[in-house]
Amino acid sequence: GAVVSQHPSRVICKSGTSVKIECRSLDFQATTMFWYRQFPKQSLMLMATSNEGSKATYEQGVEKDKFLINHASLTLSTLTVTSAHPEDSSFYICSASRLEGSRNTEAFFGQGTRLTVV
Amino acid sequence: GEDVEQSLFLSVREGDSSVINCTYTDSSSTYLYWYKQEPGAGLQLLTYIFSNMDMKQDQRLTVLLNKKDKHLSLRIADTQTGDSAIYFCAGKNQGGKLIFGQGTELSVKP
Repeated sequence: GAVVSQHPSRVICKSGTSVKIECRSLDFQATTMFWYRQFPKQSLMLMATSNEGSKATYEQGVEKDKFLINHASLTLSTLTVTSAHPEDSSFYICSASRLEGSRNTEAFFGQGTRLTVV
Repeated sequence: GEDVEQSLFLSVREGDSSVINCTYTDSSSTYLYWYKQEPGAGLQLLTYIFSNMDMKQDQRLTVLLNKKDKHLSLRIADTQTGDSAIYFCAGKNQGGKLIFGQGTELSVKP
């Protein structure tokens, strides 16, 4: 199956600093990547959809100035949590869809990043 | 809006079969997926089924789809302790977004 690599797997940062999380599709080109946030014992909450070469589409209630998404190439999307606060502590997961013909079929997920803001 | 519902917990004994159920509301979902999440890890795609199929079997996994009732199930045969994890069903809506259920925590007792 396709591989999506997410880095770092864990990060601890001080309140007020910014953190960048990378999501790479290793063996396929991903025109679309998704960023999710997961709270303990809960499902995944979609934050934004990232399309290569264009601005990300954010879900309602997600601050685009706080969660900066860049999808500069077909294999890399980054999420930057700016001016992080303790309430931003969470598990962040990216996924990438593989294009088959004209259709996006399966979504493959990264390993997730545990962000702790102290 | 779209909604996907799952029971939260399932406990089985090693060697038994596990059946995890899921209901969804969006009948336009083209693909329906089952993902497995182990503690502290991302989601692993287990299997998926196209909406025009009733059943799909892949080794120990069997997916059943009842489109009329909008019901999806995942059966794991000969459940092992390594199968203990949280299982998410998800549907892909017309906008291409995955809509996840709450996850079912499967506990396998030796």
